[in-house]
Amino acid sequence: SQELEQSPQSLIVQEGKNLTINCTSSKTLYGLYWYKQKYGEGLIFLMMLQKGGEEKSHEKITAKLDEKKQQSSLHITASQPSHAGIYLCGADKETQGAQKLVFGQGTRLTINP
Amino acid sequence: DTGVSQDPRHKITKRGQNVTFRCDPISEHNRLYWYRQTLGQGPEFLTYFQNEAQLEKSRLLSDRFSAERPKGSFSTLEIQRTEQGDSAMYLCASSLRTGGLGGELFFGEGSRLTVL
Repeated sequence: SQELEQSPQSLIVQEGKNLTINCTSSKTLYGLYWYKQKYGEGLIFLMMLQKGGEEKSHEKITAKLDEKKQQSSLHITASQPSHAGIYLCGADKETQGAQKLVFGQGTRLTINP
Repeated sequence: DTGVSQDPRHKITKRGQNVTFRCDPISEHNRLYWYRQTLGQGPEFLTYFQNEAQLEKSRLLSDRFSAERPKGSFSTLEIQRTEQGDSAMYLCASSLRTGGLGGELFFGEGSRLTVL
């Protein structure tokens, strides 16, 4: 079965610094989703990537899906306290976009003022 | 608010009792999903619907679990004879599937179940 590995598992950065979170799959990624979660709350949709080489940005967050479609990265520029939380990548298990996602274990991001 | 809505947000029950969760998806979304998340883990897929049809159930969904989406709008997830291992956050998500691909998948705030 497909597994997703996120790295690092936790990250502490100084406010204003840039950071990158990686999501690596053991199999080809047919759809890759990034979410943010605050403790005890639901998942906030960030971005969906479907094509190899695709890159999307929203405000200070950029996500990329590599050409071989087995890795994605999430990059935050000039981090702010509001970026703190758990970042989850989820991947489509099937080619038809059924959205039966398999998730990584999450990356816990702490922003120090 | 036009996002995915779940009710109740929190439920505490005694082992052996039945519980039911409700999910109201984003209007016009034809796909509805249920996921389960335990502490420190990512969500796990349970089941999903396209309109009123339940298309797949994960093997995680034992016979004590049943989900419905009777009119293709809201959905319910019922757990019968709850066990302590059922304690988790139950997340609902919805999307609009057009053609061969699913659209952006939006999650609700979740329903946290604690079984004593």
